[in-house]
Amino acid sequence: DQQVKQNSPSLSVQEGRISILNCDYTNSMFDYFLWYKKYPAEGPTFLISISSIKDKNEDGRFTVFLNKSAKHLSLHIVPSQPGDSAVYFCAAIAGAGSYQLTFGKGTKLSVIP
Amino acid sequence: DAMVIQNPRYQVTQFGKPVTLSCSQTLNHNVMYWYQQKSSQAPKLLFHYYDKDFNNEADTPDNFQSRRPNTSFCFLDIRSPGLGDAAMYLCATSREGVEQETQYFGPGTRLLVL
Repeated sequence: DQQVKQNSPSLSVQEGRISILNCDYTNSMFDYFLWYKKYPAEGPTFLISISSIKDKNEDGRFTVFLNKSAKHLSLHIVPSQPGDSAVYFCAAIAGAGSYQLTFGKGTKLSVIP
Repeated sequence: DAMVIQNPRYQVTQFGKPVTLSCSQTLNHNVMYWYQQKSSQAPKLLFHYYDKDFNNEADTPDNFQSRRPNTSFCFLDIRSPGLGDAAMYLCATSREGVEQETQYFGPGTRLLVL
């Protein structure tokens, strides 16, 4: 049973436009969420995170929004750049003292110049 | 630069022949993890070390073992690799305390079983 779901396997966006990557979760115990970016032949790189006590966190071009009632989070990239083309993984963790990150299957973002 | 290093990047082994994958870190993090990621799948946690304490996930096969001789190094041993064990193996680290939920990953070792 997938507890973290990224329903769009791929997304194409024009350079300069907004990229929106979505993630849904089912486990109400999750209280911390992370986004990772992964280039081919490399490991996932931490991008941005959000605690369940917040509904928004911003870092430069990247903003993560959390809707706890809907068990949904999204990553916004504005403006999108060709270098943002990668696979983006949503991950969640449940509770202080938990060390298990539960990942989604990823969304492949292609930013078209 | 502080980092997580995995060697080798690619490993070919034969069916049933033991293989060891290596991970080292210069971040001085006290927690280290091993994940398995198969094609188009989410990374799956196999086990983690909290300092010297080993924590196995309930569904990790006995075929997978790990050693952590010191803070900087962690090894993944696959005792008798099967064809289904072909995957990317990711090592990660984290630090207890502030932002302890954030895990930092190495580049991975891609294992091929012939």
